[in-house]
Amino acid sequence: GQNIDQPTEMTATEGAIVQINCTYQTSGFNGLFWYQQHAGEAPTFLSYNVLDGLEEKGRFSSFLSRSKGYSYLLLKELQMKDSASYLCAVRPNTDKLIFGTGTRLQVFP
Amino acid sequence: DSGVTQTPKHLITATGQRVTLRCSPRSGDLSVYWYQQSLDQGLQFLIQYYNGEERAKGNILERFSAQQFPDLHSELNLSSLELGDSALYFCASSGAGGVETQYFGPGTRLLVL
Repeated sequence: GQNIDQPTEMTATEGAIVQINCTYQTSGFNGLFWYQQHAGEAPTFLSYNVLDGLEEKGRFSSFLSRSKGYSYLLLKELQMKDSASYLCAVRPNTDKLIFGTGTRLQVFP
Repeated sequence: DSGVTQTPKHLITATGQRVTLRCSPRSGDLSVYWYQQSLDQGLQFLIQYYNGEERAKGNILERFSAQQFPDLHSELNLSSLELGDSALYFCASSGAGGVETQYFGPGTRLLVL
């Protein structure tokens, strides 16, 4: 079967660093994606990993370990606007994405 | 703005009715994906079309169907609607072969009363 796990909720303080973990078990692997979704809005693409290691993009970084079935999204210098759900998604083949249920992050002043 | 457009933004209808949701992909994208997101649930993949042909199917109910037209826009048809079909329906598109990143439209919020 296909299974993607991530924490349901996290809280953090403005200016801090937060790490959102994602573990996955899928029948194949052809890339892992992180999306940000504000309530009632469309998911927006944040990052993509297909090889092991860290991908950095401004305040956001994403890490992948294929042997461990593990990824994390690191958000630095948190801002209030970062309060949103963060979705981990795996592409098991060349087509569909399998999404986790998302991690709701609340940033407090 | 992702470049993917969806209409309508909101739809309110009654049980037993039929509705059609429309999606236009980003310019140049050949693949269109449909997802359903119910309250407090993750995005569930429904179906994918590539250049007019069905490419992959997820947990799509038999009451639901989709198609992609020669101009690459896609429609998702939902029939015999039930209360549980109330959800956000998102369309996403990606480049050739579905290898590239999927970009999502703003969604259609469907409420079945």
